[in-house]
Amino acid sequence: AQRVTQPEKLLSVFKGAPVELKCNYSYSGSPELFWYVQYSRQRLQLLLRHISRESIKGFTADLNKGETSFHLKKPFAQEEDSAMYYCALSGLDTDKLIFGTGTRLQVFP
Amino acid sequence: DGGITQSPKYLFRKEGQNVTLSCEQNLNHDAMYWYRQDPGQGLRLIYYSQIVNDFQKGDIAEGYSVSREKKESFPLTVTSAQKNPTAFYLCASKGTVYSNQPQHFGDGTRLSIL
Repeated sequence: AQRVTQPEKLLSVFKGAPVELKCNYSYSGSPELFWYVQYSRQRLQLLLRHISRESIKGFTADLNKGETSFHLKKPFAQEEDSAMYYCALSGLDTDKLIFGTGTRLQVFP
Repeated sequence: DGGITQSPKYLFRKEGQNVTLSCEQNLNHDAMYWYRQDPGQGLRLIYYSQIVNDFQKGDIAEGYSVSREKKESFPLTVTSAQKNPTAFYLCASKGTVYSNQPQHFGDGTRLSIL
């Protein structure tokens, strides 16, 4: 079954602390993994995707096929990083985007 | 200004009433999607359309209907058969089907029952 699991509903850290939002997936083919972010009162938007292998707003995510994970990391959290983060999966054999249940990140000053 | 426009922002439905949520995009995208967002459940796919005059059911299509008469428009009707319609509804689009392009999302419509 195709599934995306985000085990943490809420992650709270202080400014400057490292952040890791966990994402595990189940998919039989070759997946494309995404991280979407929804800031307060803003629309859901793409943060990064694994094939780009880029860092956006200091965030990075590496696809680990052995562990079927795509964790989102940032070495030093900022208050403006507070938002809802969704991990999502797609594949060339499906036009659907499968979302995890999301993790709310709270960064305290 | 290119993008996806959803209207209205807030919508109220009476019992037994059908309501239609609008989604328009000027990105010239082929594929369009409707999701339902509930607290603690993430986004669930209701319907999607890969091309004009064609659409497929998603994971939770019961109680919903769609049409795709124009490339830029993909309205969603929440029928009286949907017993728990209170949710936040998101529309998305993507350039071409069966590609790994990211989906672009609208601002959403919040539907409530009176």
